[in-house]
Amino acid sequence: QSALTQPPSVSGPPGQRVTISCTGSSSNIGAGYDVHWYQQLPGTAPKLLIFSKSLRPSGVPDRFSASKSGTSASLAITGLQAEDEADYYCQSYDNSLSGWVFGGGTKLTVL
Amino acid sequence: QVQLVESGGGVVQTGRSLRLSCTVSGFSFSYYAMHWVRQAPGKGLEWLAVISDDGSNKYSADSVKGRFIISRDNSKKTLFLQLNSLRAEDTAVYYCARGGYEPKYYFDYWGQGTLVTVSS
Repeated sequence: QSALTQPPSVSGPPGQRVTISCTGSSSNIGAGYDVHWYQQLPGTAPKLLIFSKSLRPSGVPDRFSASKSGTSASLAITGLQAEDEADYYCQSYDNSLSGWVFGGGTKLTVL
Repeated sequence: QVQLVESGGGVVQTGRSLRLSCTVSGFSFSYYAMHWVRQAPGKGLEWLAVISDDGSNKYSADSVKGRFIISRDNSKKTLFLQLNSLRAEDTAVYYCARGGYEPKYYFDYWGQGTLVTVSS
C-alpha cells in the first residue's frame, strides 16, 4: 500500500466545496516535508496542481487550495465544475523509504 | 514551451530488457534533476528513480533497485531508463518528469508517458 493514504473517491454537485485528505506518518508529512498535489484528467499525464504550501502554477484557478497539519494534508476545491472531474494525487518525500512517495489517488466525481 | 517526450515502450517478454528515452525541449536540461514515475493500469503513481542535473548522483526505489538504471545525456537533452529482468508487474505507463534532487522538490512538468507491456 501507499505511504500516503487518500480516500478512493469523493463527489459533489457543481458549485459545492469538496476536500481530499492525504494521511501520512512521521517519516513523510510529519517529518516536515512539503506536500504537493497533482491532477490527472482521464487518459492524460498528471499535472502539477499545488506545490510547496499551497502555491499554484500559472493557470491553476484559485478555487484550488491546500493545507497541512501534523501528519496529514488536504486539498480543497471550491465552486466545483464539471472539468474538475479527475484523479487527484498527493505527493511528499519519505525519509525511511529514502524516496518520493504518492498517495493512492482520489477519483473526484462531479454529480 | 517545456516539452518532455518519452519513447521506447512496447510489448516485451518476461525476463527481457527495454530502454526508455525521454527527450526534452524548452528548458535548460542540464540544470535540472529528472525522475521516472510509473502507473500500472488502473492504479496510482509510483516514483521509480531520480538522477541529478549532471548525472553524478542517482537513486532508485527499492522496488526496482538493481533492475532499473537511470541515466542521462545532457548533450542530447535526453533521459534514459534501462529496464532489465522485466516482470509482469512492471507493466505500466512510464512517465519522465522534471524535478529536483532534494526531498522538498515536486514534479513540475511531465511527459505524455510510454506504455510498457510485459507478457509471457
